[in-house]
Amino acid sequence: GAVVSQHPSRVICKSGTSVKIECRSLDFQATTMFWYRQFPKKSLMLMATSNEGSKATYEQGVEKDKFLINHASLTLSTLTVTSAHPEDSSFYICSAGNQETQYFGPGTRLLVL
Amino acid sequence: QQQVKQSPQSLIVQKGGISIINCAYENTAFDYFPWYQQFPGKGPALLIAIRPDVSEKKEGRFTISFNKSAKQFSLHIMDSQPGDSATYFCAARPSNDYKLSFGAGTTVTVRA
Repeated sequence: GAVVSQHPSRVICKSGTSVKIECRSLDFQATTMFWYRQFPKKSLMLMATSNEGSKATYEQGVEKDKFLINHASLTLSTLTVTSAHPEDSSFYICSAGNQETQYFGPGTRLLVL
Repeated sequence: QQQVKQSPQSLIVQKGGISIINCAYENTAFDYFPWYQQFPGKGPALLIAIRPDVSEKKEGRFTISFNKSAKQFSLHIMDSQPGDSATYFCAARPSNDYKLSFGAGTTVTVRA
């Protein structure tokens, strides 16, 4: 299957700082990238959809100023959690999709102290 | 409102047994139905997927059965192994949107 990588895999930061998570589609022609958040023992919650060179589309209830998404190239999307707070602690997962299917990255565990 | 309903929430099966997970949907525009397997602390991995023009698809020990008229699809794990212990998510999406709607997930535990 296709490889979607995420970096970092884990990050611990202090409250008030910003954290950037990178998502790369390594061998898959993705037309769209997605960002999800997953709480323990829960399903995946879609945060936003992004396409290369255009603004991300955020799901209802997701603060776009808090979760900044940049999709600079076909294979790279970044999620920046700005002014992180403890309630932003979660498992963030990106995915890359096209008309055929969708592959997920390994996830990033964010802990905000 | 969850567009894809998944059951059971969890199941325990003996090694060698069959695990069956069911999903139901309402949106008739859905035309792609993947299943993902997720281990703790990892991202979901695409396991197997089906489109509504076929009623069954098998890959190794994993089989999807699809019933278009009932708007239901299921995953069967044959000869379940302890390594199959994971959370399984069904999902669906329409042809004109790449956004997946996920089920709530099923935690499968295979006892040796």
